[in-house]
Amino acid sequence: GAVVSQHPSWVICKSGTSVKIECRSLDFQATTMFWYRQFPKQSLMLMATSNEGSKATYEQGVEKDKFLINHASLTLSTLTVTSAHPEDSSFYICSAREAGPSYEQYFGPGTRLTVT
Amino acid sequence: KQEVTQIPAALSVPEGENLVLNCSFTDSAIYNLQWFRQDPGKGLTSLLLIQSSQREQTSGRLNASLDKSSGRSTLYIAASQPGDSATYLCAVSGGGSEKLVFGKGTKLTVNP
Repeated sequence: GAVVSQHPSWVICKSGTSVKIECRSLDFQATTMFWYRQFPKQSLMLMATSNEGSKATYEQGVEKDKFLINHASLTLSTLTVTSAHPEDSSFYICSAREAGPSYEQYFGPGTRLTVT
Repeated sequence: KQEVTQIPAALSVPEGENLVLNCSFTDSAIYNLQWFRQDPGKGLTSLLLIQSSQREQTSGRLNASLDKSSGRSTLYIAASQPGDSATYLCAVSGGGSEKLVFGKGTKLTVNP
């Protein structure tokens, strides 16, 4: 149980285009989803927290207009990188948490974004 | 602000050796602590979750301990195997937030 999927697993796009990444909880309802970014040989940095039906809460330094997050249902959150630039190339990982006291997060397999 | 430190940054051991990975955190007001494994280019695999009220968790050859008062956790791997080679990440949530704060990881190499 507690499986989280991401799509696509990798994507290459040209500078200036927008890319959408999906994060789905397959066997549970995710009241909260998180989006992380990981640069090579670095740890995960939280970008934003999203609750179903609410606006996402972004971490300091993360551009809201560039990284659009939508959490329209209890099983799906999307991250759209708008007007992508090469410096946005990174590994993006989502996680999901179901309602309850454990606060355990279940992680997706990640999406490798390369902007050329 | 919570900070998580993992020592060592890298570790290379011969197959069969028992080893310990260390994690420390600055704010002891945590909800839980998780240990993850990450293979190159892959996502995170959750290994063990320790709630703040617990002292340790075990899964197979893995044992994680938590000393909340001193802000420390250890991950013990028994009888290491080449397949254990990966980066191990420690993360904590708490301080009134469900956000996970990650350490930079320990890259483990187990040599055949």
